[in-house]
Amino acid sequence: DTAVSQTPKYLVTQMGNDKSIKCEQNLGHDTMYWYKQDSKKFLKIMFSYNNKELIINETVPNRFSPKSPDKAHLNLHINSLELGDSAVYFCASSSDRGRALMNTEAFFGQGTRLTVV
Amino acid sequence: GDSVTQMEGPVTLSEEAFLTINCTYTATGYPSLFWYVQYPGEGLQLLLKATKADDKGSNKGFEATYRKETTSFHLEKGSVQVSDSAVYFCALSDPGGSEKLVFGKGTKLTVNP
Repeated sequence: DTAVSQTPKYLVTQMGNDKSIKCEQNLGHDTMYWYKQDSKKFLKIMFSYNNKELIINETVPNRFSPKSPDKAHLNLHINSLELGDSAVYFCASSSDRGRALMNTEAFFGQGTRLTVV
Repeated sequence: GDSVTQMEGPVTLSEEAFLTINCTYTATGYPSLFWYVQYPGEGLQLLLKATKADDKGSNKGFEATYRKETTSFHLEKGSVQVSDSAVYFCALSDPGGSEKLVFGKGTKLTVNP
């Protein structure tokens, strides 16, 4: 069973469209994240949710809106897609808020490669 | 703010060669340090970690020691294999407890037979 699963794996779309990426984890974790990996492989956090509550929002344009219907899911909706949004988006989860990444690890999905044309 | 600097790649080695990937960090507190690995077409996996100074993390023949005096966490392996070909990321956890990882830019390793 896949611990953190994202869909779709690949997404090609035109500028101006609205798209969503879904993420589910079956690890029973309380905290979920979205990271963006650019063309140079640089990874940066976008959002973090704990028990459906937004914890981190790292100066991401408001065209990006995460939604957490329950603590096992964190979806990413992107409005009015731009060329610069092309990247690989990784969902991740971890088990313990507050000390989440001090003593435990984050589990990552396989990534969604978004290409905006 | 917190940051991680790791050596730029790509790194190309022959099988059984010795590997070092340098990583240094800047943080206001005492972060935990991690190495993550990304195999082709996959997500990141934790390779090893260290949570305090002088700790050594190890896994699959890889090692890294948390050096507070030099703010470093260099990754080493004595004899690499073709299957080690991947992108390696050094990362720290925000010591302020804001539940995020700060990553270095990644180092691509290719091991040739």
